[in-house]
Amino acid sequence: NAGVTQTPKFQVLKTGQSMTLQCAQDMNHNSMYWYRQDPGMGLRLIYYSASEGTTDKGEVPNGYNVSRLNKREFSLRLESAAPSQTSVYFCASSGGQGLDYEQYFGPGTRLTVT
Amino acid sequence: AQSVTQLGSHVSVSEGALVLLRCNYSSSVPPYLFWYVQYPNQGLQLLLKYTSAATLVKGINGFEAEFKKSETSFHLTKPSAHMSDAAEYFCAVSDRKRGNKLVFGAGTILRVKS
Repeated sequence: NAGVTQTPKFQVLKTGQSMTLQCAQDMNHNSMYWYRQDPGMGLRLIYYSASEGTTDKGEVPNGYNVSRLNKREFSLRLESAAPSQTSVYFCASSGGQGLDYEQYFGPGTRLTVT
Repeated sequence: AQSVTQLGSHVSVSEGALVLLRCNYSSSVPPYLFWYVQYPNQGLQLLLKYTSAATLVKGINGFEAEFKKSETSFHLTKPSAHMSDAAEYFCAVSDRKRGNKLVFGAGTILRVKS
């Protein structure tokens, strides 16, 4: 199993450009999450999807949109990137068979907006 | 709402010394609690989790944590630090009622001196 995979690993954008971060998991998990990590602030939840077909806002959703394409895939879109969105983005999944509450994380995408 | 406070953004110990990383939580419902470790330029990896079974939880790499309801704490310890333990550690609490979202502390960077 690959676990949780994310693409791309690195990205540099200019202010106003758009991009989509891709995430996929092969653990048959129901729930998927997008976080951003900034120094000294831990991880903050952007959006999550408790199950296929549902998405909800997290703590810091402004400037982002998500799509739960199917059970495996959960993408994060920046429509008009801003320097404040420079961060490391992590995708995670949880909730396989038998109420497994831990989250499994991907390797992250390092995004710089200039 | 759930919250997590990690005391000390940086902790420095000598190789072979006791590691103690502090975590206090706030939760209106019985919590699930987690410790994750992040090595440089990597995603988060689960160290251990408390899910209301035993209050003393053993994890990977010799780490353990004790859930103390009266103190609302879930401190992480390891009897003898190794150089390979140098990393950033995150405590998190799970909101089981709302899609199993995790709320993270700000993180503690552990430095191990030779």
